[in-house]
Amino acid sequence: LAKTTQPISMDSYEGQEVNITCSHNNIATNDYITWYQQFPSQGPRFIIQGYKTKVTNEVASLFIPADRKSSTLSLPRVSLSDTAVYYCLVGADNNAGNMLTFGGGTRLMVKP
Amino acid sequence: EPEVTQTPSHQVTQMGQEVILRCVPISNHLYFYWYRQILGQKVEFLVSFYNNEISEKSEIFDDQFSVERPDGSNFTLKIRSTKLEDSAMYFCASSEVSGSNAKNIQYFGAGTRLSVL
Repeated sequence: LAKTTQPISMDSYEGQEVNITCSHNNIATNDYITWYQQFPSQGPRFIIQGYKTKVTNEVASLFIPADRKSSTLSLPRVSLSDTAVYYCLVGADNNAGNMLTFGGGTRLMVKP
Repeated sequence: EPEVTQTPSHQVTQMGQEVILRCVPISNHLYFYWYRQILGQKVEFLVSFYNNEISEKSEIFDDQFSVERPDGSNFTLKIRSTKLEDSAMYFCASSEVSGSNAKNIQYFGAGTRLSVL
């Protein structure tokens, strides 16, 4: 599994755009990049997944450069309820049943 | 939106007692998982289950742990003789069958907080 590195914590204010970057220099050709969100005392929640370029859904956007050695999760106009831990996972997610390996994640604190 | 449900939300037990944590995965999912998270630490994989057998397990999942799908809806994790260090949040997850549109997106329950005294 490719090792990921992401900031331990970030602070933001309501209404701002937040970008969390994850480094994954050893990403393999068949690896996908997946982001999960975890609120206190809750299970992780899938946010977005991508392989290359840009993916957007109703919650976030995921930017992946051509070399795929990093990715950036972008949260538009955050609110207090976006305060959570965000995990970047890299693995061969094209096959169901694979275990997920969580790192320490990025603890995002959104302030009023 | 379909969700994974776990019961109980909080389980308190004495050291050495057996506990069973219960999960109802999303109905059309066929892969099931258990993870745990000790307070302040990372989410750790325990076991995955498919077609009525264990697919993969971690070093944490020793002989004290077992999983079962007793009927068509429930998925359980049993700890035979709990230790103090088993105190953690236990998360159940499920995912769809592998296919061109399935990218191993796992859906997690809210967890069971296990407190071993």
